[in-house]
Amino acid sequence: GAGVSQTPSNKVTEKGKYVELRCDPISGHTALYWYRQSLGQGPEFLIYFQGTGAADDSGLPNDRFFAVRPEGSVSTLKIQRTERGDSAVYLCASSDGVAGGSYNEQFFGPGTRLTVL
Amino acid sequence: KQEVTQIPAALSVPEGENLVLNCSFTDSAIYNLQWFRQDPGKGLTSLLLIQSSQREQTSGRLNASLDKSSGRSTLYIAASQPGDSATYLCAVDSNYQLIWGAGTKLIIKP
Repeated sequence: GAGVSQTPSNKVTEKGKYVELRCDPISGHTALYWYRQSLGQGPEFLIYFQGTGAADDSGLPNDRFFAVRPEGSVSTLKIQRTERGDSAVYLCASSDGVAGGSYNEQFFGPGTRLTVL
Repeated sequence: KQEVTQIPAALSVPEGENLVLNCSFTDSAIYNLQWFRQDPGKGLTSLLLIQSSQREQTSGRLNASLDKSSGRSTLYIAASQPGDSATYLCAVDSNYQLIWGAGTKLIIKP
């Protein structure tokens, strides 16, 4: 596709429910990243995929959060037993560079705004 | 642990002025530094990427500089326009994770 797309754009759920957020990266990009942005702050790293595998999931806040990328393209971020503190904008990015290289430009999707009531 | 700070947090200037946004980081071992623009309720738009070996990058009215040794980057915007109003974020690539500042909210008054 022309850019990174994310669905849904907005998600409202109740405390304790399960949610899935989807990311479609730029076609051919091997690296995919998830970030979370709370109001008035910069994004925070959650997880990074290289191909199908999670190369680094150290940013996931706890075991309620999980992400997959089974075919090395689309990724899904899954949140179990949602809490009000999970409310944020979840951003996805992709890149075609080698992670850790000096020209690894990340391109971002529009984000999914998650609100947990 | 890498930390990124942006000063000022907010800035309001009249249209036509040149301005500078500042970004500082604590660990000079970075691969690159990116400047982004974020409009309210919208995603992030990459403006400039400066590789660790570079000193500056230019795109149109934007010029970004990087001084790794002092842990500083600046974003210079020439001849500001109302359409430049947005939040500007800098992020450093420290081993593929982007570490972000909190942003500078810029308002250009017509």
